[in-house]
Amino acid sequence: DAGVIQSPRHEVTEMGQEVTLRCKPISGHDYLFWYRQTMMRGLELLIYFNNNVPIDDSGMPEDRFSAKMPNASFSTLKIQPSEPRDSAVYFCASSRQGRSYEQYFGPGTRLTVT
Amino acid sequence: GNSVTQMEGPVTLSEEAFLTINCTYTATGYPSLFWYVQYPGEGLQLLLKATKADDKGSNKGFEATYRKETTSFHLEKGSVQVSDSAVYFCALSERGSGGSNYKLTFGKGTLLTVNP
Repeated sequence: DAGVIQSPRHEVTEMGQEVTLRCKPISGHDYLFWYRQTMMRGLELLIYFNNNVPIDDSGMPEDRFSAKMPNASFSTLKIQPSEPRDSAVYFCASSRQGRSYEQYFGPGTRLTVT
Repeated sequence: GNSVTQMEGPVTLSEEAFLTINCTYTATGYPSLFWYVQYPGEGLQLLLKATKADDKGSNKGFEATYRKETTSFHLEKGSVQVSDSAVYFCALSERGSGGSNYKLTFGKGTLLTVNP
C-alpha cells in the first residue's frame, strides 16, 4: 500500500505569491494532519481533519493560511500571500480511527519563500 | 497546556555505544507517550509507544519506560548502529476537540549521529 503522498517535494516562490501544497492520505485512514517544521519552533500542528471535516485549526498561524479536504483522498494547504517567514517543511500525516496517535507521515514539502 | 522537553542535540556516538535521549513532559491528564524517528529526507515514523504508567515500549532494540513519578520517557538503546542516525522526537497525546481522537504534542527533536 502506498504511504502518504505529498506534492510538490520542493517549492520555491517569491513573496506575495500563492502557494498550494497537496496531500493524499493512506486509503482507509480517517484522520489527516498538517504540520509545519522549522528549526526555531520545531514541529507544529496546523490543522487536522476527521472524515474530511476540520476539527481543530487553532494552529493555523493567520488568515493567510487555509486548508481544505474535499474528499477522503485529497487535501490542500494554501498560503496566500506567502511571506519569507513561511519558509519551512510542511508535513501531511494520516491515521485511522481508534489509533489516531499512530500517524503516518508523508515525505514533506520544503517551501522556500524569497 | 501540555508540553514535551527533550535533551538538546546533536548527540554523536560511536557504533555499539549506549544511547540515552532524555524526555520529560508536562500534562494535565494521563497522556500516552511516544517516540518518533525521522530519517534524513523522510517524514516521521512511530518508533514505540507506552499508554500508561510503568509501561515499557520497545522496537528495533530501542526501549522507553513511562515513568509517571518523574514525568519522563527516556529513550535507550544498548548498542547503536550507523543506520540509527536520525532525528528522534518524543511526543505525547492529548484528547482532541472531538473527544475520542488524539492530537500529538512533539518535542523539538534530538539529532543522533552514529559514526563507524
